[in-house]
Amino acid sequence: NAGVMQNPRHLVRRRGQEARLRCSPVKGHSHVYWYRQLPEEGLKFMVYLQKENIIDESGMPKERFSAEFPKEGPSILRIQQVVRGDSAAYFCASSPSMANTEAFFGQGTRLTVV
Amino acid sequence: RKEVEQDPGPFNVPEGATVAFNCTYSNSASQSFFWYRQDCRKEPKLLMSVYSSGNEDGRFTAQLNRASQYISLLIRDSKLSDSATYLCVVSTINQGGKLIFGQGTELSVKP
Repeated sequence: NAGVMQNPRHLVRRRGQEARLRCSPVKGHSHVYWYRQLPEEGLKFMVYLQKENIIDESGMPKERFSAEFPKEGPSILRIQQVVRGDSAAYFCASSPSMANTEAFFGQGTRLTVV
Repeated sequence: RKEVEQDPGPFNVPEGATVAFNCTYSNSASQSFFWYRQDCRKEPKLLMSVYSSGNEDGRFTAQLNRASQYISLLIRDSKLSDSATYLCVVSTINQGGKLIFGQGTELSVKP
């Protein structure tokens, strides 16, 4: 009974490259959330998705960032043309339904932009 | 004003001490409340949900005051293993149910 799986655990990219972060939710969970945690800061909401739909992307920068959760396969957070300020831990969480339920987190992807 | 605000910390306490964390939230329509724990920048893990009547789980007691939009967590007889960052989390249906995190309060329990 696997929990939320994120990969890669660590990702190093040069400035200007693309970063693709993957998240497989708990089996049966249809709600996925992405959060970013900068060094010495709290978790900041980025985007909330259900299968094939973006429900809330109010926390995601308008440029360079995109997210998807296709009918089949993991959720993907994509960062184009990465900059040093994108260096952070990116956590994915899943839940079986909206609100009032526990969200389970993956171990995160540590992105370092050099 | 931040949506969820917590005591700035860090809290340094001796083993056996009682420690209280405070949290306020700004959206009066919020209806789900949680305390999460995060160790050394690892993934957050649910410590306990917070119910209107207050709830207790062993050494941990959570309280909610909707009128004051205030949440608390009390840890009694603190252990070295309680050292972590404690995150106050709020969810609101009219915001799609996303979890909004406070910035966290770091606790260090010393021998």
